[in-house]
Amino acid sequence: QKEVEQNSGPLSVPEGAIASLNCTYSDRGSQSFFWYRQYSGKSPELIMSIYSNGDKEDGRFTAQLNKASQYVSLLIRDSQPSDSATYLCAVKNDRGSTLGRLYFGRGTQLTVWP
Amino acid sequence: EAGVAQSPRYKIIEKRQSVAFWCNPISGHATLYWYQQILGQGPKLLIQFQNNGVVDDSQLPKDRFSAERLKGVDSTLKIQPAKLEDSAVYLCASSFQGLNSGNTIYFGEGSWLTVV
Repeated sequence: QKEVEQNSGPLSVPEGAIASLNCTYSDRGSQSFFWYRQYSGKSPELIMSIYSNGDKEDGRFTAQLNKASQYVSLLIRDSQPSDSATYLCAVKNDRGSTLGRLYFGRGTQLTVWP
Repeated sequence: EAGVAQSPRYKIIEKRQSVAFWCNPISGHATLYWYQQILGQGPKLLIQFQNNGVVDDSQLPKDRFSAERLKGVDSTLKIQPAKLEDSAVYLCASSFQGLNSGNTIYFGEGSWLTVV
């Protein structure tokens, strides 16, 4: 079983602050990394994908990947109440017996208070 | 572009009864997934299809769960007989070519199952 671990929540930050979400994974063969946002009662929605070491920025979101440390993170700058949701880290190995399978963490619940 | 369609959205059944969920993926998407998401947990893959063939069903409880994608488009997931622990959201997802990096997986709204 490939493990994807996320920092335990819930995480609560004030509006305008930076929210930091962390994820570690056990499969060193993983090549694709994703952050999904899931509002209560809704399906997961892809917000970021990252494939190479380093940072990837998209608006207020920055994904960071360190394959040597098997660590991926998501930073949300200028957090808004509308960012309140559960954030799911997902990891995919594109080789071997688990080809194409997406492994999810349990998610971190984020609350942004006004 | 239409998204992944699922039905029914909500279902309540008694244990030992059967239930079936239907999914229509995004047009042109060869790969279709069924995930189970229990409250408070991340989605867990049950089965993955590439066109009408099964790529991965290692986590599907085959004694009670079955799934098919006969014409490589729509798919049906069946549970028979249902157990209390099957209460979850069943998410269907699709991607253009799931076997390669960079192919985004899109989720449907999910089918909520409550077994009483």
